[in-house]
Amino acid sequence: KNEVEQSPQNLTAQEGEFITINCSYSVGISALHWLQQHPGGGIVSLFMLSSGKKKHGRLIATINIQEKHSSLHITASHPRDSAVYICAVAGAGNQFYFGTGTSLTVIP
Amino acid sequence: DAGITQSPRHKVTETGTPVTLRCHQTENHRYMYWYRQDPGHGLRLIHYSYGVKDTDKGEVSDGYSVSRSKTEDFLLTLESATSSQTSVYFCAISEATPREQYFGPGTRLLVL
Repeated sequence: KNEVEQSPQNLTAQEGEFITINCSYSVGISALHWLQQHPGGGIVSLFMLSSGKKKHGRLIATINIQEKHSSLHITASHPRDSAVYICAVAGAGNQFYFGTGTSLTVIP
Repeated sequence: DAGITQSPRHKVTETGTPVTLRCHQTENHRYMYWYRQDPGHGLRLIHYSYGVKDTDKGEVSDGYSVSRSKTEDFLLTLESATSSQTSVYFCAISEATPREQYFGPGTRLLVL
């Protein structure tokens, strides 16, 4: 049983499209993180949120605590957005649970 | 970029040998984490530290031990490496919890 489920697993989009990646979780959390893993393997934190919505450039993250669901949106997608996007939740006892990631490919 | 380095970056070893991976930070962050990343599993927590000499187990701690004798260094030791420990290992740091985590570049370990 996975505490964090992401969908879709793989996503291919044309440049300029609006993209949504979904994350559902089953544990109580203190915060939810969205991470980006580049093709070379490096992992970068995009957002940490515990309620509402955050925006950074073309990226928007939302969370619904009652429904235990979060979404990551990318507006006007670009080939440089191609990466694996990982949802992670901070549960009780300083434990972190990670989704298996969504592999995004943006085609020019 | 947060100052986190991992060494070695790549290692090939044989079953039964001990292996130590090092994570070094220059940010003076209190929390340090070791994760492994495997296809189909995502990142999984091995051990973490919440201060010098203070460590605790994560989800997949069997076969691994850790030590933190200084704020800046967190060592992960595989006492007797097995093929199932072939993986990519990531170190991460954070100032507090829950806070943003900053990841190191990763170490690719192959156990033959």
